[in-house]
Amino acid sequence: DAGVTQSPTHLIKTRGQQVTLRCSPKSGHDTVSWYQQALGQGPQFIFQYYEEEERQRGNFPDRFSGHQFPNYSSELNVNALLLGDSALYLCASSLPGVETQYFGPGTRLLVL
Amino acid sequence: AQSVAQPEDQVNVAEGNPLTVKCTYSVSGNPYLFWYVQYPNRGLQFLLKYITGDNLVKGSYGFEAEFNKSQTSFHLKKPSALVSDSALYFCAVGFYGQNFVFGPGTRLSVLP
Repeated sequence: DAGVTQSPTHLIKTRGQQVTLRCSPKSGHDTVSWYQQALGQGPQFIFQYYEEEERQRGNFPDRFSGHQFPNYSSELNVNALLLGDSALYLCASSLPGVETQYFGPGTRLLVL
Repeated sequence: AQSVAQPEDQVNVAEGNPLTVKCTYSVSGNPYLFWYVQYPNRGLQFLLKYITGDNLVKGSYGFEAEFNKSQTSFHLKKPSALVSDSALYFCAVGFYGQNFVFGPGTRLSVLP
């Protein structure tokens, strides 16, 4: 049973560019959440998708957007990248309303 | 606002000794409580959770945690530490169907 997978593993971009990160949830899970983990900090919630709609959103600007596909996979898009967007981006999947979230290995984004 | 505190940035313990990683929280209502572990350049691995019931919960790899409602604490414990337990540990709180709020993390070093 495959766990949560994310691609790419690493990414280097320059300021002002746009980036798309991808996530495939654990088999049977239909809820996907995205978190940003800056160096030396705990993960911060970005948003959560369920039934192809954004269900909850954390305190992140509109430059951060997402999408969920009918197969429950998800994308995180970040526009107009800033140096401060450099972080590990984590995807987590869960069953709807069920409390435990399972995390992928993350995508490390470096903005130069 | 919900918040999670992990008062120790770093915990050092000798191999074979018991370990405790502390977590306190400030939320309204009755949250779900979680511990996750993160190894270098990896995502978060679920260790254990408290939803309701017995205040002492047992999880993966010999870890357990004690929920104390009056002290709003959820400390992680292990009777005998292993060098391989050295990692970054995160406490998190959540509610049914809601996103997680993570603490800042505690780095555990188990010395041989």
